[in-house]
Amino acid sequence: DAGVTQSPTHLIKTRGQQVTLRCSPKSGHDTVSWYQQALGQGPQFIFQYYEEEERQRGNFPDRFSGHQFPNYSSELNVNALLLGDSALYLCASSLNFGQGSTEAFFGQGTRLTVV
Amino acid sequence: GIQVEQSPPDLILQEGANSTLRCNFSDSVNNLQWFHQNPWGQLINLFYIPSGTKQNGRLSATTVATERYSLLYISSSQTTDSGVYFCAVGTFGNEKLTFGTGTRLTIIP
Repeated sequence: DAGVTQSPTHLIKTRGQQVTLRCSPKSGHDTVSWYQQALGQGPQFIFQYYEEEERQRGNFPDRFSGHQFPNYSSELNVNALLLGDSALYLCASSLNFGQGSTEAFFGQGTRLTVV
Repeated sequence: GIQVEQSPPDLILQEGANSTLRCNFSDSVNNLQWFHQNPWGQLINLFYIPSGTKQNGRLSATTVATERYSLLYISSSQTTDSGVYFCAVGTFGNEKLTFGTGTRLTIIP
């Protein structure tokens, strides 16, 4: 049973560029959430996708956008990169039961460095 | 939003020692998870425990939902237990997990 997989594992981008991160959820899961973890802090919720729609969003600017595909995989896009976007980006998958968050499983993360 | 506090922030122990990590939260929850973040950044699921007690080998966890706290116990610590331990909670009608600031555990051989 494949767990949550993310790609790429590491990425270096220049300020102002755009980046796309990818996530495949755990087999059987239909919901994908994205988190940003800055150095020395806990992960912060960016948004969640279910049925190909953004279901909930955290306190992140519109430069952060996403997409979910029919096979439940997801992309996170960040436009106009800032130095402060440097972080570990984590994808989590879960199964929707319609009653708030359920047990989430995380991928290994994508470490983004903006220079 | 809900506040999640973890204590202690740092813990240094000799191999073989036991430890207790605490997670306090400010509102009712329907989801509580404990994670171990390894040096490469991956969050490893330890327990899904919105209430009650669970055990898995040397690790056990207890959540007292009515008093809004959870405890993670690690017995007979090994060097591989080193890393950051996070508590994360979810509330009714809310899809996200809110993480605490973590406890950094260092086990010395």
